[in-house]
Amino acid sequence: KQEVTQIPAALSVPEGENLVLNCSFTDSAIYNLQWFRQDPGKGLTSLLLIQSSQREQTSGRLNASLDKSSGRSTLYIAASQPGDSATYLCAVQLISSGSARQLTFGSGTQLTVLP
Amino acid sequence: DVKVTQSSRYLVKRTGEKVFLECVQDMDHENMFWYRQDPGLGLRLIYFSYDVKMKEKGDIPEGYSVSREKKERFSLILESASTNQTSMYLCASSLLGLTYNEQFFGPGTRLTVL
Repeated sequence: KQEVTQIPAALSVPEGENLVLNCSFTDSAIYNLQWFRQDPGKGLTSLLLIQSSQREQTSGRLNASLDKSSGRSTLYIAASQPGDSATYLCAVQLISSGSARQLTFGSGTQLTVLP
Repeated sequence: DVKVTQSSRYLVKRTGEKVFLECVQDMDHENMFWYRQDPGLGLRLIYFSYDVKMKEKGDIPEGYSVSREKKERFSLILESASTNQTSMYLCASSLLGLTYNEQFFGPGTRLTVL
């Protein structure tokens, strides 16, 4: 069974720092990996999607990488801001999930950026 | 702008009541999903649908049913609500693609069963 792990569970950094969030998965037979942001009590906002054939995706200050063979992805946030404070979730879509491509989620990293 | 909406942000029901949670997407997506999110357990898939009138069980379907009569609408039904169904319920949708099928989520419904 696919397991998705995110380390650390919580992270606190001062404003302006660059930071890396980690995600690992046990089954490398994936279609893609998606990073989400969740603010307290809210739904999930999609940040980046990396297809299995890609190595990285960038959006603004965010850069996500994927190493499928080692079962790892990282989310790099440059020049962090207090508004980046949220829980960040990674999720994988398994090839074995059939046509619907449901996601398997990690437990998330709770990020706090201190002013 | 892509949009997934859920009928209620907060809902309070009593044990034994029948509860309907509605989800609507305006992106003409084939796939729709219902998850629940609980502290310490993360997001877990309840049911999904890849076409009108089609449904598949997810990881935790017990106590739930679903209905998809129209492509844009996916309903989650709690036939007889119980206190252990108190949770945050999240709906999502995506295209029926192979590799690029980004999931988009609604704002969530916080359900409390008393």
